[in-house]
Amino acid sequence: EVQLQQSGPEVGRPGSSVKISCKASGYTFTDYVMNWVKQSPGQGLEWIGWIDPEYGSTDYAEKFKKKATLTADTSSSTAYIQLSSLTSEDTATYFCARLSGRGSYYFDYWGQGVMVTVSS
Amino acid sequence: DIQMTQSPASLSASLGETVTIQCRASEDIYSGLAWYQQKPGKSPQLLIYGASSLQDGVPSRFSGSGSGTQYSLKISSMQTEDEGVYFCQQGLKYPFTFGSGTKLEIK
Repeated sequence: EVQLQQSGPEVGRPGSSVKISCKASGYTFTDYVMNWVKQSPGQGLEWIGWIDPEYGSTDYAEKFKKKATLTADTSSSTAYIQLSSLTSEDTATYFCARLSGRGSYYFDYWGQGVMVTVSS
Repeated sequence: DIQMTQSPASLSASLGETVTIQCRASEDIYSGLAWYQQKPGKSPQLLIYGASSLQDGVPSRFSGSGSGTQYSLKISSMQTEDEGVYFCQQGLKYPFTFGSGTKLEIK
């Protein structure tokens, strides 16, 4: 059974950084690209970017290029997102999601989400 | 970026009623469309991919159709467990983009 288990809720002060993990199980971690998606309170979904765990290559949506850093540890089948220079705009739930498809892509498995609260 | 416009923003339906949700892309996405259901406090769950392919385990009352820039999700007989928010997503070009969501409630 494919599972994506994310770390617990985070509280960060303005200007600080937080790092969230997403541990994959039930499939070969390096066979699929991992994505991250942001959902602000009561809002829709925004794609942040992806990482190819096999090669470490990444791509980001323009608005997240200076905000998010994606990494992956193949030895533990875990993907990470680090959010830097936190502001109130970063208060949101962050999901990891496995990417599937060929030619057109979709997210077939999602983590449970991590709530990040930015507060002084 | 490809803009996804979803309608309606909310609707309520009676048990057994047929429900249709629309999604329009700002350019042709060649059936590169997925639909998700999200319940409160949960992560989105994939329902449909490739505009019309049903994800394993999803009830057959859900169906997707469309082409070009216009797509729709149909629930053929509304059930209580179908309450939630539905999102469309284009998977043709980066950055992947989502519709703003449709909140579906039981009448």
